Amino acid sequence: VQLVESGGGVVQPGGSLRLSCEASEFAFSIHSMHWVRQAPGKGLDWVAFIRFDGSDKFYADSLKGRFTISRDNSKNTLYLQMNSLRAEDTAVYYCARTYGSGSRIDYWGQGTLVTVSS
Amino acid sequence: IQMTQSPSSLSASVGDRVTITCRASQGISNFLAWFQQKPGEAPKSLIYSASTLQTGVPSKFSGSGSGTEFTLTISSLQPDDFAIYYCQQYYTYPITFGQGTRLEIK
Repeated sequence: VQLVESGGGVVQPGGSLRLSCEASEFAFSIHSMHWVRQAPGKGLDWVAFIRFDGSDKFYADSLKGRFTISRDNSKNTLYLQMNSLRAEDTAVYYCARTYGSGSRIDYWGQGTLVTVSS
Repeated sequence: IQMTQSPSSLSASVGDRVTITCRASQGISNFLAWFQQKPGEAPKSLIYSASTLQTGVPSKFSGSGSGTEFTLTISSLQPDDFAIYYCQQYYTYPITFGQGTRLEIK
């Protein structure tokens, strides 16, 4: 199982960023996926979930509609579109695979750092 | 659902056996997972369904509990086991994590 995140970087407050998670070495289209983030020196914070076929999407209440999770099974890629970014969104963002179509996480990517700063 | 771990930090010696507790603010059946995270690394899945070891995880790790109270026990501590441990409920959305327990070498 390989999960490689990309798209992180430095962005100004109010800006946007799209993260990608490229999956390989497994059948991406039959696994649901999560995004989880971790602010510097803090604990794990769940962000969003998408069902294997995109039919269900769930988000952390704190995001208030600013983030959108999506996937392209033909490209084996998971996305996280982040808009109206705030300083408190600064974190390492991990994509994580679920066991089958359910919710439990079995594998994690290495993460990509997003820094929101002027 | 709020997940509360105790203790927040724990000092132990090589060879010791330690137990970490995780409490859910409401019943979550056995939809409870444990993760290990070492400095600078991504989390690693250890246990799911409260007590089932992820493939490849050594049997020194064990989990128990159901409903609102859960435990992670690590026996015969080795230097590689000193890390931060998180519990997570996946019973309902939004999914929530405990605040983490830092296991340090005494």
